[in-house]
Amino acid sequence: SQKIEQNSEALNIQEGKTATLTCNYTNYSPAYLQWYRQDPGRGPVFLLLIRENEKEKRKERLKVTFDTTLKQSLFHITASQPADSATYLCAPAGNTPLVFGKGTRLSVIA
Amino acid sequence: DAGVIQSPRHEVTEMGQEVTLRCKPISGHNSLFWYRQTMMRGLELLIYFNNNVPIDDSGMPEDRFSAKMPNASFSTLKIQPSEPRDSAVYFCASSPKERYNEQFFGPGTRLTVL
Repeated sequence: SQKIEQNSEALNIQEGKTATLTCNYTNYSPAYLQWYRQDPGRGPVFLLLIRENEKEKRKERLKVTFDTTLKQSLFHITASQPADSATYLCAPAGNTPLVFGKGTRLSVIA
Repeated sequence: DAGVIQSPRHEVTEMGQEVTLRCKPISGHNSLFWYRQTMMRGLELLIYFNNNVPIDDSGMPEDRFSAKMPNASFSTLKIQPSEPRDSAVYFCASSPKERYNEQFFGPGTRLTVL
């Protein structure tokens, strides 16, 4: 069955540093992969989508990479701020609906 | 734009009671998804609809769960009878036809079954 691992349940970093979150998947060949942000008590919010033929995607301070050989996506937040503190979920997708990872809880410390 | 609307936001009920969760998707979106989120299992897809038709309900845990979408602007998720292990946050999400997998989530319903 499809398996998605976000291999850090929690990540603490200092303000201004780059946060790097990892998403690995197995038994799956997604056509694209999405990242969502979830704040406590709220639903997930879509951030970025990257397709299998794209190596890298950027949006403001966010950067996502997608390596279909390693079956891995990396999510970077540069110049991190306390407001970036949240849980980040990865979701590979293809012809079937999204399957979400359990998420990584990021805390940016001032 | 009002976003996805869910009601109630919180529900506390006793084991054995019927629970109905409601969702109004974003106007113009043609896909609707019901998810359940717990600490142990994360965010799980229960069922999704396309143009009001149920497409995949393989995530519905058991026959106690049922979902309907009588029209494009309303969906319900019913649990009957409810059990304590059903306690979770239930999310509804919708997506537009041109960006099927870019989902817009509602605020969720926190269900507690005593």
